[in-house]
Amino acid sequence: LAKTTQPISMDSYEGQEVNITCSHNNIATNDYITWYQQFPSQGPRFIIQGYKTKVTNEVASLFIPADRKSSTLSLPRVSLSDTAVYYCLVGDVFSGGYNKLIFGAGTRLAVHP
Amino acid sequence: NAGVTQTPKFQVLKTGQSMTLQCAQDMNHNSMYWYRQDPGMGLRLIYYSASEGTTDKGEVPNGYNVSRLNKREFSLRLESAAPSQTSVYFCASPTSTDRGVDEQYFGPGTRLTVT
Repeated sequence: LAKTTQPISMDSYEGQEVNITCSHNNIATNDYITWYQQFPSQGPRFIIQGYKTKVTNEVASLFIPADRKSSTLSLPRVSLSDTAVYYCLVGDVFSGGYNKLIFGAGTRLAVHP
Repeated sequence: NAGVTQTPKFQVLKTGQSMTLQCAQDMNHNSMYWYRQDPGMGLRLIYYSASEGTTDKGEVPNGYNVSRLNKREFSLRLESAAPSQTSVYFCASPTSTDRGVDEQYFGPGTRLTVT
């Protein structure tokens, strides 16, 4: 199982770009990197997923270096509504590997006015 | 299209009581999952069902039973509730989307308190 390490908490201000880095030194060849967002009293919500290099969607970007031992979730111009917990998960999801994914404590992002 | 629904939203039980948490998905997904989340913690997998008719234990199965009633429904039963089972319970179901990603859809959760 690929263990992940991410900061426990981060603070930012509205309009700033936020980068959250996740370390996953023992990532396996078939593993994908997936990020989820969770607001209080809600279930996690999928943000972005990638295997290598850079992935961008309407919400965020995901940067993955060539060795894939870490990844960085980038949230452009955050607003107060981006205050949430962000989870980094690593696993072979396309082969039905969700049972092996581990949601750690995540990173609590607080966005201030 | 409601996605993943859970009932009830809230429940208070006394120690020793039993109850069943219901989960249903209308996305025609094969697999379904039950997680629990304790305050300030990440989610931990209780049980999962890879397909209709199959169930398997996750990380923390003790004290729980599950039933995959059909493709849509996956229930979680607490036979004799204990205070340690006070938690928020999430049901989830993953799928590959046409965007080429595989994502897990979560229900709104059931907040359970055992006194």
